[in-house]
Amino acid sequence: NAGVMQNPRHLVRRRGQEARLRCSPMKGHSHVYWYRQLPEEGLKFMVYLQKENIIDESGMPKERFSAEFPKEGPSILRIQQVVRGDSAAYFCASSPPGHPYEQYFGPGTRLTVT
Amino acid sequence: AQTVTQSQPEMSVQEAETVTLSCTYDTSESDYYLFWYKQPPSRQMILVIRQEAYKQQNATENRFSVNFQKAAKSFSLKISDSQLGDAAMYFCACPTSGTYKYIFGTGTRLKVLA
Repeated sequence: NAGVMQNPRHLVRRRGQEARLRCSPMKGHSHVYWYRQLPEEGLKFMVYLQKENIIDESGMPKERFSAEFPKEGPSILRIQQVVRGDSAAYFCASSPPGHPYEQYFGPGTRLTVT
Repeated sequence: AQTVTQSQPEMSVQEAETVTLSCTYDTSESDYYLFWYKQPPSRQMILVIRQEAYKQQNATENRFSVNFQKAAKSFSLKISDSQLGDAAMYFCACPTSGTYKYIFGTGTRLKVLA
C-alpha cells in the first residue's frame, strides 16, 4: 500500500511565478490536509479538503493561495505570484474516512523562491 | 489558544544510551491523541509513536516509549539504546480541541554521539 505521494519533491520558482504542488492520498483515504513548515519551525495547518470540498481553510493566507481536491486526480495546492517568504516545505497528509486524527504524512515538497 | 511546547531545542545522547525528550501541551478536550514525529535530514515526517489520551497505559514501540502524564499535560518521549539513525528533529503534535488540525511544537534536534 503506497503511502501519501507528493510531487515534485523540490520546486524552484522565480518571484512572480506560480507554484503547483500535488498530493495523492493513500489508497482509501478521502481526506487531505496541507501543512507548511517554515525554516526552523514546526508544521502549521493550512487547509483541509475532502473530495470536491474545502472543509476548513482557516490556515491559508488570504491571497495568492488556493487548494483543490477534485473528484479525480490529486489534491493541488496552488500559489500564485510567489514571493521569497513562500519558501518552505509543504506537507500533505491524508486520513481514512471517519478518522481525522490518523493523519499520514507525505514526504513534502520543498519550494524555493529565488 | 492551544499550544504545544518543546522546551529543549537540542539534545545530545551517546550511542546506546537513553534520552528523554519533553513536551507539554494545552487542550480543553478530555479525549484526544498525541503524537511524536521524527524528521530526519530528508525532511520526511515519520510517525514515531501515538498515544490515545483515554488510555492510561503508556504507548511503546520497540525502543521508543512515552511517559504520558494527563493531569500535568506532559508527553515525553524516551528513546532507549540510541542509535546513530535516531539523529533527527523530533516534533510533538496534538490536534486542536475537537478538530483535526495538528498543532506542532517547535521541535528538538537530537544528536547521537558515536
